[in-house]
Amino acid sequence: EPEVTQTPSHQVTQMGQEVILRCVPISNHLYFYWYRQILGQKVEFLVSFYNNEISEKSEIFDDQFSVERPDGSNFTLKIRSTKLEDSAMYFCASSDLPATLRVNYGYTFGSGTRLTVV
Amino acid sequence: DQQVKQNSPSLSVQEGRISILNCDYTNSMFDYFLWYKKYPAEGPTFLISISSIKDKNEDGRFTVFLNKSAKHLSLHIVPSQPGDSAVYFCAASEQGGSEKLVFGKGTKLTVNP
Repeated sequence: EPEVTQTPSHQVTQMGQEVILRCVPISNHLYFYWYRQILGQKVEFLVSFYNNEISEKSEIFDDQFSVERPDGSNFTLKIRSTKLEDSAMYFCASSDLPATLRVNYGYTFGSGTRLTVV
Repeated sequence: DQQVKQNSPSLSVQEGRISILNCDYTNSMFDYFLWYKKYPAEGPTFLISISSIKDKNEDGRFTVFLNKSAKHLSLHIVPSQPGDSAVYFCAASEQGGSEKLVFGKGTKLTVNP
């Protein structure tokens, strides 16, 4: 079964450093998402991306964050000047159709990258 | 701002019995509801969904019920199996085809052999 692949599985970074989290969505998918889950908290939406543009973003996704599809296969989340509170599990997801056309509405998540800011 | 609430952090059932996981929501603009299952060290896996125009959707051992007037949905798993042990997240999406899913905090289900 096709998978969304995220690398690395765990990243430790120093506060104030920039970090890039990488995702390889399912190959024929066109809609991409980032979510995060702080330990013990709910999974939170960060951003959705389609056609090289952000289509939706949450209030969490401020100027510290950016997303990019640098080539035909990767989708990245960059966090500039990381803070301690950015420590979380970050999940990438992808879908082949927009929400209005998806039969079951679900999309496919990767296994996540655990980001630890020290 | 808990628009989707799962008030039971954990649930334990015996193998073969029914598991009922509950979810409440506050946002009247939600029109699609989903359940995801998550094992440790893995991402959430889509399980089943329901549109607000329906009150029930069934897929094998899994059935989701929606009570719009009560803003409540539930996931029934019958019969429960040890492999169902995982964290179950309720999620919802707003009308108009929003791509954003709003998740609850999850309920950890343990199915005992």
